[in-house]
Amino acid sequence: DIQLTQSPSFLSASVGDRVTITCRASQGISSYLAWYQQTPGKAPKLLIYAASTLQIGVPSRFSGSGSGTEFTLTISSLQPEDFATYYCQQLNNYPLTFGGGTKVEIK
Amino acid sequence: QVQLVQSGAEVKKPGSSVKVSCKSSGNTFSTFSYSWVRQAPGQGLDWMGGIIPSSGTTKYAQKFQDRVTITADESASTVYLDLISLRSDDTAVYYCAKTWIQLWFFFQWGQGTQVTVSS
Repeated sequence: DIQLTQSPSFLSASVGDRVTITCRASQGISSYLAWYQQTPGKAPKLLIYAASTLQIGVPSRFSGSGSGTEFTLTISSLQPEDFATYYCQQLNNYPLTFGGGTKVEIK
Repeated sequence: QVQLVQSGAEVKKPGSSVKVSCKSSGNTFSTFSYSWVRQAPGQGLDWMGGIIPSSGTTKYAQKFQDRVTITADESASTVYLDLISLRSDDTAVYYCAKTWIQLWFFFQWGQGTQVTVSS
């Protein structure tokens, strides 16, 4: 199975901050990576697929980059509604796997 | 608005089984694939398996392979998750999610179904 390691697992930030989350894969997955946002009590929401393609309706302050084994999710200017947990997911191999999550909290 | 609507919360005894349903509204059911993802309390996301209704093809995570069956009823636009031999650590929220047939990233999610396993 492909392991996805997210870092950090927790971060504290302020509104307006630039935030970067990293996802590392245990083997190369080309660009077969997606990012999700989850708020408490809600289903996850797709933000980015194919490593860098923004899902329709997602604000442009979110961006993704990377290929192979290292990927990043960047929020250019953190907004109050962005405080949530973020997950990466690989779709290169079965079983599909998720990273352990990064919780973004208000400083 | 196309959406995925799941069945309601369940409370089960250890050793029993549960069947969770997920109905897709709209008329494009068979042009997509569907997966089940679970989330234990305070934990991350765990993919259990998925199905391509148009072909009946299923994929399962090995850790669930012996206890999970995913089926689809095209006439009802509904996918099902059957989980047997329930244990307390199966207590979780179970989500269905829609994907493209060729690319299994989850662009639409159901509201989640709480399954509680307790004696």
